[in-house]
This record gives sequence, C-alpha cells and structure tokens, in this order.
Amino acid sequence: QQQVKQSPQSLIVQKGGISIINCAYENTAFDYFPWYQQFPGKGPALLIAIRPDVSEKKEGRFTISFNKSAKQFSLHIMDSQPGDSATYFCAASRSGGYNKLIFGAGTRLAVHP
Amino acid sequence: DAGVTQSPTHLIKTRGQQVTLRCSPKSGHDTVSWYQQALGQGPQFIFQYYEEEERQRGNFPDRFSGHQFPNYSSELNVNALLLGDSALYLCASSPPSYNSPLHFGNGTRLTVT
Repeated sequence: QQQVKQSPQSLIVQKGGISIINCAYENTAFDYFPWYQQFPGKGPALLIAIRPDVSEKKEGRFTISFNKSAKQFSLHIMDSQPGDSATYFCAASRSGGYNKLIFGAGTRLAVHP
Repeated sequence: DAGVTQSPTHLIKTRGQQVTLRCSPKSGHDTVSWYQQALGQGPQFIFQYYEEEERQRGNFPDRFSGHQFPNYSSELNVNALLLGDSALYLCASSPPSYNSPLHFGNGTRLTVT
C-alpha cells in the first residue's frame, strides 16, 4: 500500500492550453500530497501541495484538485507556457512518516508554442 | 542563502567499487534524506538522517549506508557497486518543524560501468 500511480507518462499541450496530470494512491494514511517540478539537470522543486481537509488549492496558474473518497488528486496547469515544459511528479506522505515521500513515476510535459 | 548543495555532480565508477556522495543541507535545516532516481523514474527513498542517526530507511540493501555530521551535512556510501546502481542520487533537507517541505539538491549523477 505504498504506491502512487501517475498518468499520463507524457503530455503535449499547446501554449495557452490546460495541462492535466492525475495521480492515485492506495494508502489511506497518506495526508500530505505535494507536486514537484523537475527541469533537466536539476533536482525536484516543490510546486504546490495539499492536505486532505480541502478539495482544491490554487496558486497562480497551478491548481490541485483532491478527491479523498476516490483516493485521487490531480494537477491542473492553466494557460500553459513553454517555460512549463518539465517533468512533474506527484508524491504522498503520512503524518509520523518523517517526511518520507512516495513519488509517482513522473509526467513529461511539453508545451508547444 | 545557499540551498542544498551536493558533490560531486557527476561520477563514473567501475562495478565492485565503492563511492561516497556528499550533501550540505539548506541553512536552518537539520534533517537530511537521500533518494535514488533511476532514469525516467520518480525518486525512491533510501534513508533519512536526524541528529546524526538513521531515523528511517527505505527498501535498499545494506550496501547503502550513510552518515550525518554535527554540522548536519551528510554522506551516502554505496559499496560493491552494481550496474543497477547507476542513477541520480538526490539529497533533500528539511527544517525541524513537523511535515515541512523537502528542499532537494541538484543531485549526483552516478554511472557504474
């Protein structure tokens, strides 16, 4: 019950479009769900995170939607820009887990001008 | 304010050799975690150090060991290298506060030939 499944594996979006990446988890003890952005040659950088007490969190063009009953959460990137082209990882951890993050396999996003 | 720094950035070793990777956490952070990121995959948790002790460990063999120094910096040691150990090794640090976001370094790219 440690797995986090992420889809799609890759995504191509036109500039100005909406990018949507989905994740599903199994362990109901997870209570922290961050998204990380990684550019080539760089480490992952925290983009936005959510806890299960809210169903949606928005920061600028980035929104997390969370469905506790379905054990799913998703990242929406509005008005996608070529600079958003990167690999995105969802992750999950649980309280008392000392910040041990379980990552999805990643989604490679390409935003075409 | 320097973020998480890792050295070296790249390393090539031969199968059977031993390697040591180093990490300096972000200022104010006292907890260091190590992750292995295989090509095209999400990071996988190796272990975490806090107060110079290994606090939690992922599903990695004993060939992987670590150390944390009084200044909170950390080392990751891998013995008897296998071809499958080729990966990006990421160090992440976090502050003392509970469930704080992880800050990742840019990693060390290890190639085992």
